[in-house]
Amino acid sequence: DGGITQSPKYLFRKEGQNVTLSCEQNLNHDAMYWYRQDPGQGLRLIYYSQIVNDFQKGDIAEGYSVSREKKESFPLTVTSAQKNPTAFYLCASTEAPNYGYTFGSGTRLTVV
Amino acid sequence: GESVGLHLPTLSVQEGDNSIINCAYSNSASDYFIWYKQESGKGPQFIIDIRSNMDKRQGQRVTVLLNKTVKHLSLQIAATQPGDSAVYFCAENIAGGGNKLTFGTGTQLKVEL
Repeated sequence: DGGITQSPKYLFRKEGQNVTLSCEQNLNHDAMYWYRQDPGQGLRLIYYSQIVNDFQKGDIAEGYSVSREKKESFPLTVTSAQKNPTAFYLCASTEAPNYGYTFGSGTRLTVV
Repeated sequence: GESVGLHLPTLSVQEGDNSIINCAYSNSASDYFIWYKQESGKGPQFIIDIRSNMDKRQGQRVTVLLNKTVKHLSLQIAATQPGDSAVYFCAENIAGGGNKLTFGTGTQLKVEL
């Protein structure tokens, strides 16, 4: 079955560490996105990529970095510069403009 | 409606009743709208979408209404079931905005037996 796979489901980070969240899709979608969700709130866009080897900052990119070396993969690194990283992270993809996103099941990141 | 902060607007309905969830969107240039359902600890699931050249679209037990004059979107769920309990988000795509969706803060739907 086609879909988006996020891993790990749960991730714990110590203060000052960088961590990388994985997002892989086999839907052959060109565009991929990373959103952050805090409790009781909507989704805020971190980074997005419309095509391989290209990506743009979203509304809250500070403290995060991404790469898009392959069409199927769009990993997100949460750096030590992100002061409040505890949140639920969602990856999504879409086949074309003005089409709905398909979401992964999310990664819950907690700072310990 | 929309709100900021930790407390989502909540709609409580009896099983079997119809539910109406509302959303005020922000940009008159938005040309595509989607409703998503999110269960606790899971990613959002697509429910239904509508383009700005339409006023109404129906799916299985769901209807989306778009009023561009007042920038308002609603989701109607017929014969609400316990499995409909979730948070519902509206999302808008702003034409020329780079193909990225902007999400509302969501409404918690609780179905009472």
